[in-house]
Amino acid sequence: SAVISQKPSRDICQRGTSLTIQCQVDSQVTMMFWYRQQPGQSLTLIATANQGSEATYESGFVIDKFPISRPNLTFSTLTVSNMSPEDSSIYLCSVASGRRSTDTQYFGPGTRLTVL
Amino acid sequence: QKEVEQNSGPLSVPEGAIASLNCTYSDRGSQSFFWYRQYSGKSPELIMFIYSNGDKEDGRFTAQLNKASQYVSLLIRDSQPSDSATYLCAVKTSGTYKYIFGTGTRLKVLA
Repeated sequence: SAVISQKPSRDICQRGTSLTIQCQVDSQVTMMFWYRQQPGQSLTLIATANQGSEATYESGFVIDKFPISRPNLTFSTLTVSNMSPEDSSIYLCSVASGRRSTDTQYFGPGTRLTVL
Repeated sequence: QKEVEQNSGPLSVPEGAIASLNCTYSDRGSQSFFWYRQYSGKSPELIMFIYSNGDKEDGRFTAQLNKASQYVSLLIRDSQPSDSATYLCAVKTSGTYKYIFGTGTRLKVLA
């Protein structure tokens, strides 16, 4: 499985500011995903980031609030813009990897965001 | 709306017992099924995946899939306190790359 790192691991931010989260993979992967996990909840997909194309956002998530970059096959960023306390959450990136390459997702360690 | 349902628990079992975790899904077109373990404050870790009806064993873990009844389960034999975690069921529906996650079942193995 791929080794995935995320930066920062945690942050405390003021409302109205923005935070960019980085996700780095040790191998080239086609599909990367960004999830949010609010306290005590399960995972909600924010968007799918494919290299060379615009990210595909899920219902309830918009590019202006969560802009995503995917400059190459090993890296992606998610920005949480104009933050409010409701954005406090764990943000996870994942990659699709494995023999059936579109099937199995592996997760990075996550970024714990607190917005005051 | 496609859904994946799990009992939130907590499911408490004594050390050494078999823990049985269940998951049902609504989309009959679902093709791939996954179990993840998530320790508190950590990210999900893949335990097993299963694609075909029947049982799949990996060490102390057995995944069971019944597509006709639309359920998938995870059995943990000889449960250990270190197995205490939240177990997430995920389903990938046909024709998509997206997973739908259940809300997770919290397992507590009592020493």
